[in-house]
Amino acid sequence: ETGVTQTPRHLVMGMTNKKSLKCEQHLGHNAMYWYKQSAKKPLELMFVYSLEERVENNSVPSRFSPECPNSSHLFLHLHTLQPEDSALYLCASSQDRNSNQPQHFGDGTRLSIL
Amino acid sequence: AQTVTQSQPEMSVQEAETVTLSCTYDTSENNYYLFWYKQPPSRQMILVIRQEAYKQQNATENRFSVNFQKAAKSFSLKISDSQLGDTAMYFCAFMKPLIIQGAQKLVFGQGTRLTINP
Repeated sequence: ETGVTQTPRHLVMGMTNKKSLKCEQHLGHNAMYWYKQSAKKPLELMFVYSLEERVENNSVPSRFSPECPNSSHLFLHLHTLQPEDSALYLCASSQDRNSNQPQHFGDGTRLSIL
Repeated sequence: AQTVTQSQPEMSVQEAETVTLSCTYDTSENNYYLFWYKQPPSRQMILVIRQEAYKQQNATENRFSVNFQKAAKSFSLKISDSQLGDTAMYFCAFMKPLIIQGAQKLVFGQGTRLTINP
């Protein structure tokens, strides 16, 4: 149990579908993150939210739309994805006021685009 | 921009042996943090050990220790008395706080796949 829960664990979708990934943290943290992990590539930071405000968007295509309604929940809305978007999507959280505290990760959602 | 390089895509050792995973990074920052994360087949990223750049003493956590060479920008992980459960992908990561609102920004290496053989 990491304190960061991601659903669904696996997702298969067509390129025209709309789906959402969900992340919930039970650690009282106030910063949350989305990462993309593709085969043979380093983890790529996609979005950062601190105190429910987006503070970083690493040039992610608009077909990925994050939402952070409160400090415990983070969503990634998906629309019109491409085959190269197939990857493991990891959510993490941290206590942003203590920057020496590590990020805690969820188990990820394995996304496959048909 | 910071970069992290892990030059060993795969390593394999026998159980109970000692193994060292290498990591180098590039930054102009003076104050930062370095981490080793482990990702077993279950996919969960687990923190193994961390090091603050301002501390000269190498961090240790039970069988895990680091060799932090700040001038050389090197941060290797040593696993002593390796166990079958140590089989996983290992990621080295660099972090300095984002300027805005103090959120963190982790930069990861490509990972090293470590296999412990019985």
